[in-house]
Amino acid sequence: DAGITQSPRHKVTETGTPVTLRCHQTENHRYMYWYRQDPGHGLRLIHYSYGVKDTDKGEVSDGYSVSRSKTEDFLLTLESATSSQTSVYFCAISEPGQGSTGELFFGEGSRLTVL
Amino acid sequence: EDQVTQSPEALRLQEGESSSLNCSYTVSGLRGLFWYRQDPGKGPEFLFTLYSAGEEKEKERLKATLTKKESFLHITAPKPEDSATYLCAVFTGGSYIPTFGRGTSLIVHP
Repeated sequence: DAGITQSPRHKVTETGTPVTLRCHQTENHRYMYWYRQDPGHGLRLIHYSYGVKDTDKGEVSDGYSVSRSKTEDFLLTLESATSSQTSVYFCAISEPGQGSTGELFFGEGSRLTVL
Repeated sequence: EDQVTQSPEALRLQEGESSSLNCSYTVSGLRGLFWYRQDPGKGPEFLFTLYSAGEEKEKERLKATLTKKESFLHITAPKPEDSATYLCAVFTGGSYIPTFGRGTSLIVHP
């Protein structure tokens, strides 16, 4: 199994509070991604990173920010959580090239509930 | 814009009843198509990558095939433990950002 750890796995918070989700990898993969998964929408990309300090927006980036100061860690921050951000968040990693087309490997998910 | 459509949304089978899941795509410059399995409360688990039309890959009771417009995931003599949501995703051009379908939820009854 790919070495991907997400924390926390479960969190309940109140509207307006800041929340940070952490993704830690031990695979030294260059690409890291944050997705959210909601019924009826499937997996939607929030932000991704293609190297330390190199990040870009996905299709649902509003209300989210990310940081990657080390290869192994990718943080997702909700500056002021809203109920619409209640979801399951998945981190994924990939290493394109070197015989791979960059298949993604996913963490176990972080379930966030915003009351 | 790349589009990936999976059908059916949900499928119920009896144990041993073979069937197929479909993933149709509209993309420019397909570089690869991925299949994933996702169990409830878990992250998607990588199954296969298909690169070009005509390619096939197999794993236990699963066989994935690829044409220029779609991919099929054939499930032969399924067992209850094959129950899961199956996701496909396509990978195009110079981007390493796959586009995912919404998945097919498979339930296999004993």
